Order: sequence, then C-alpha cells, then structure tokens
Amino acid sequence: KAGVTQTPRYLIKTRGQQVTLSCSPISGHRSVSWYQQTPGQGLQFLFEYFSETQRNKGNFPGRFSGRQFSNSRSEMNVSTLELGDSALYLCASSLAPERSYNSPLHFGNGTRLTVT
Amino acid sequence: AQKVTQAQTEISVVEKEDVTLDCVYETRDTTYYLFWYKQPPSGELVFLIRRNSFDEQNEISGRYSWNFQKSTSSFNFTITASQVVDSAVYFCALRGSNNAGNMLTFGGGTRLMVKP
Repeated sequence: KAGVTQTPRYLIKTRGQQVTLSCSPISGHRSVSWYQQTPGQGLQFLFEYFSETQRNKGNFPGRFSGRQFSNSRSEMNVSTLELGDSALYLCASSLAPERSYNSPLHFGNGTRLTVT
Repeated sequence: AQKVTQAQTEISVVEKEDVTLDCVYETRDTTYYLFWYKQPPSGELVFLIRRNSFDEQNEISGRYSWNFQKSTSSFNFTITASQVVDSAVYFCALRGSNNAGNMLTFGGGTRLMVKP
C-alpha cells in the first residue's frame, strides 16, 4: 500500500509570493491533516480536513488555507509568504474521524519550503 | 490547553545500551491518546507506539517498551539494546477526545544519537 505522498519535496519562494503544496493520503484514508515544523516552534497543527470540510484549525493566520477534494487529496496554500514561513510542512492521513482516535496518523515525507 | 514536555533535548548512547526517553503531558480531557513517533533524517514521522488513557498496562514490542503512568502524567519510551539505526528525533504526542479530531500536540522532541 502506498504511503502518504507529498509534492513537491523542496520549494524555494521569495517573500510576497504564494505557494501551494499537495498531499495524497493513503488509499482508504479520508482524513487529512497538515502540520508545520520549524526549529523554533516545533511541530504545530495547521488544519484537518474530512469529507472536503475543515474540521479543526490551528492558531495560524488567514494566509494559511487548505482544501480537500472528493478523492480525499488535499492542498494547502500560503499566500503573501514571509521569511518565517520557511519550514517543513507535513501532511498526515488517517481513517475517518470516528474510527481514528485510537489509530495513528500516517505522515508523508513533507515539503521543505524555503522563503528568501 | 494541552501540553507535552520532553525535557531531554539530546541523548547520546553507545550501541547496545538501553535508553529511556521521557515524556510528561498535561490535559484536562478524561480520555486521551498518547503516541510516540520517530523522525529520521528523511523527515517522515514514523509511528511507533500508542496508548489510551484508560489502559495503563505497560507493554513490550520487540526492542521497544513503554511505561505509562497516569498518576504522574508520564509516558516514557525505552529502547533496549540500541542500534545505530535508532538514531533519530523522537516525538511524544497527545490527542484529546473533545472534538480534537486529528489535532495532535507534540513535544519538542528528543534527538537520540547512537554511536557504534
């Protein structure tokens, strides 16, 4: 079974630009979550999607947004990039929420975004 | 608010030594779920073990074991007979049950270096 796939693996953008990251969950997984990892703040929850609806959102500005498609694939978008947005962005998938509390999240390799 | 603390930022051991990684958590939820993840240099978070708050039985799985003590809010993880391939950053994570979905709260991580 293929794991969580994130594209691209690496991305370099300049301040003020916007970026879109993509995530394909494990087959059969319908919940997708996004996390940001930085040396200073560690791993922080961005948002979670299930059935194309955002279920939870972390404490991030509105520049960070996401969506989920009917095939459970998800994208996240960051607009007006700032230097502090440089991070590893990790996507994770799991079974439907009502079955997922006791099941682990399965993470992708992440997209490393560098903002210059 | 939930919080996970991993006081050990870095541990260095020699191969075949046993090593214990500490994790202390805070939550107001009566039911919650605890996880350990491993992050090798490739960046992907790899699920290792999980425990529910209502099950304090400690277990061993191969070279891994964990000690969950609700009275002290601790969820420690032990690697027996460490190997060089165990070198990675290890994260403890907490998921509540009150509409938390897949929102995990992660500790700051412990970097484990196993020297040959």
